Amino acid sequence: AQTVTQSQPEMSVQEAETVTLSCTYDTSENNYYLFWYKQPPSRQMILVIRQEAYKQQNATENRFSVNFQKAAKSFSLKISDSQLGDTAMYFCAFMGYDSWGKLQFGAGTQVVVTP
Amino acid sequence: DAGVIQSPRHEVTEMGQEVTLRCKPISGHDYLFWYRQTMMRGLELLIYFNNNVPIDDSGMPEDRFSAKMPNASFSTLKIQPSEPRDSAVYFCASSFFGTDLVGGSNQPQHFGDGTRLSIL
Repeated sequence: AQTVTQSQPEMSVQEAETVTLSCTYDTSENNYYLFWYKQPPSRQMILVIRQEAYKQQNATENRFSVNFQKAAKSFSLKISDSQLGDTAMYFCAFMGYDSWGKLQFGAGTQVVVTP
Repeated sequence: DAGVIQSPRHEVTEMGQEVTLRCKPISGHDYLFWYRQTMMRGLELLIYFNNNVPIDDSGMPEDRFSAKMPNASFSTLKIQPSEPRDSAVYFCASSFFGTDLVGGSNQPQHFGDGTRLSIL
């Protein structure tokens, strides 16, 4: 069974600064996807970024980028130039090819962006 | 395109009452998932369906919980009898095998806005 661990319950960052959220996972599968979801106070689940395990290049989406270390089973999210609207809970999630369609979520990290 | 639709958005009821949560997946999607979110346990997968058939219900907490998917456009999650510890946000999500990750919206699952359930 896969497990996803987010060890930081809460992170605080000032506007325009950078924050990095950590995520580690455990799996015996070689082919899988990793995702970061954002959940603002409205409680919508919004996909921020995804990474295919077979791709060595780290994914980026505007101010969001990941550092994917497959051997270390690490998948961190960097938010650059933080904005007040980035305040949200962030979840790391895993989906393996063997369990296609089924997401395993981490516990989440609450990010608070302060003026 | 309408997203995943859940109803009600909020539900407050007394302990012992039956609660029914409803979900309409995105048309054409063949997977449907029910999640529960609490502060203590985070996001838990309760059950998921493929082509209306339950595939994995190992996350359903106990016999008081049941889920059905009578057709491709509707699913229910029922709690009977309800207890205060069932208070949580319940999410429904849907997806289509394969293509959502090949292109298009790149979403592994499309989530509804959730139902906040409070059992008094």
